[in-house]
Amino acid sequence: AQTVTQSQPEMSVQEAETVTLSCTYDTSESNYYLFWYKQPPSRQMILVIRQEAYKQQNATENRFSVNFQKAAKSFSLKISDSQLGDTAMYFCAFMTGANSKLTFGKGITLSVRP
Amino acid sequence: SAVISQKPSRDICQRGTSLTIQCQVDSQVTMMFWYRQQPGQSLTLIATANQGSEATYESGFVIDKFPISRPNLTFSTLTVSNMSPEDSSIYLCSVDAAGRRYTFGSGTRLTVV
Repeated sequence: AQTVTQSQPEMSVQEAETVTLSCTYDTSESNYYLFWYKQPPSRQMILVIRQEAYKQQNATENRFSVNFQKAAKSFSLKISDSQLGDTAMYFCAFMTGANSKLTFGKGITLSVRP
Repeated sequence: SAVISQKPSRDICQRGTSLTIQCQVDSQVTMMFWYRQQPGQSLTLIATANQGSEATYESGFVIDKFPISRPNLTFSTLTVSNMSPEDSSIYLCSVDAAGRRYTFGSGTRLTVV
């Protein structure tokens, strides 16, 4: 069974600074996808970034980038130039091609301080 | 990516009653997923709904409690039956409509009193 671990329950960062959110996973599959989702108080789940396991290059989306370490089964999210609107819960998620189901970590609450 | 309309956005229900949640997608999709998010918790998959076949339920979830319909490729409903306060959660539907980029509905916040 696949598991996703987010060991930090919450973090805080000053506006305009950089923060890194950690995620590790466990799987025996070789073909899979990793995701970071953002859930603001509105509870809407928003896809932040996605990484395909077979791609060695780390995914980037504007201020968001990942550090994907396949051998270590680590998938951290870096948020640069943090903005107040980044305040939200962030969930790391995993999916294999076999069943298309997302498995989520427990999430981390990120607060951006003005 | 797909746009999902989920209704209702919230409801307060009496214990013992049932609530049906609807998700309408603006494009045809093969699979629709239903999740539960208990207060302060992460998302847990309830079931996967395919058009033309019975839904596939995850461990701990049963059809009698969470019946699902999938009449066509753009619509699905989840019913929470015989509700108790422990069913108070956010329920979300999700689809993969753009090559492993999962989109979620806006969620239904259910409170059972």
